[in-house]
Amino acid sequence: KQEVTQIPAALSVPEGENLVLNCSFTDSAIYNLQWFRQDPGKGLTSLLLIQSSQREQTSGRLNASLDKSSGRSTLYIAASQPGDSATYLCAVSDFGNEKLTFGTGTRLTIIP
Amino acid sequence: DGGITQSPKYLFRKEGQNVTLSCEQNLNHDAMYWYRQDPGQGLRLIYYSQIVNDFQKGDIAEGYSVSREKKESFPLTVTSAQKNPTAFYLCASKSGDGYTFGSGTRLTVV
Repeated sequence: KQEVTQIPAALSVPEGENLVLNCSFTDSAIYNLQWFRQDPGKGLTSLLLIQSSQREQTSGRLNASLDKSSGRSTLYIAASQPGDSATYLCAVSDFGNEKLTFGTGTRLTIIP
Repeated sequence: DGGITQSPKYLFRKEGQNVTLSCEQNLNHDAMYWYRQDPGQGLRLIYYSQIVNDFQKGDIAEGYSVSREKKESFPLTVTSAQKNPTAFYLCASKSGDGYTFGSGTRLTVV
C-alpha cells in the first residue's frame, strides 16, 4: 500500500526567504505527483503536477522536482510572502491514475 | 463559472442519525471522489466513481454509502454505522490529470 510522508509537519520562515518542502512515497510505481495548497477550512487548490516521466515543473515562484527512483519530491518556494502561508499537501496518483494518496501536509507560516 | 458545490458548509448530526452530504459539479467531469480529512492528517479516500451508475470503495468506506445516478451529482451518506464521523469532508472531480475540489463540509456529531 502506498504511503506518503511529508516532513516537516510545520515550518515558519521570515518573509523573503527561499524554502523547501519535502515529500516521500514508498511505491515508485506512480502515474504522477501533485502538490496542492489548502487554506484553513477550505478546499484544495492544485499548484503543480509532475508526470512520472518528468523531473520538475515550474510555476512562477514555485518549482517542484520528482525523483521517482528514490521516492522523493520537493516543492521549492522562492522569495516567500505572507500570502504563501497555508498547508501544502503532496499526493501521488496510482499507476492506473484512478485515485490519489495524500501526505499529511506541511503547515507553512511566513512571518512578515 | 464551472466548479464543485458542496452543501451544507456545516452539518450537525445526532448519535444514530444518517446524514447526506451533497456534491454537485458542472464541469462535465466523469470521475468524482469523496475524501475525509481529520485534524493534522492528510486526506483519506472514502469512495470514488469513474462513471455514472458505478462506484468503488476507497480506503475507509465502512459506515458510508454513495450513489451516482447523474454525472453531475455524487452524494455521500454518513450512516449510524460510522462510529467517528466528526471530520471535514471534501468532494473532488477529475478530468484527465486535473483535480477540482469543493470547499468542504464540516460534520460534527452532537
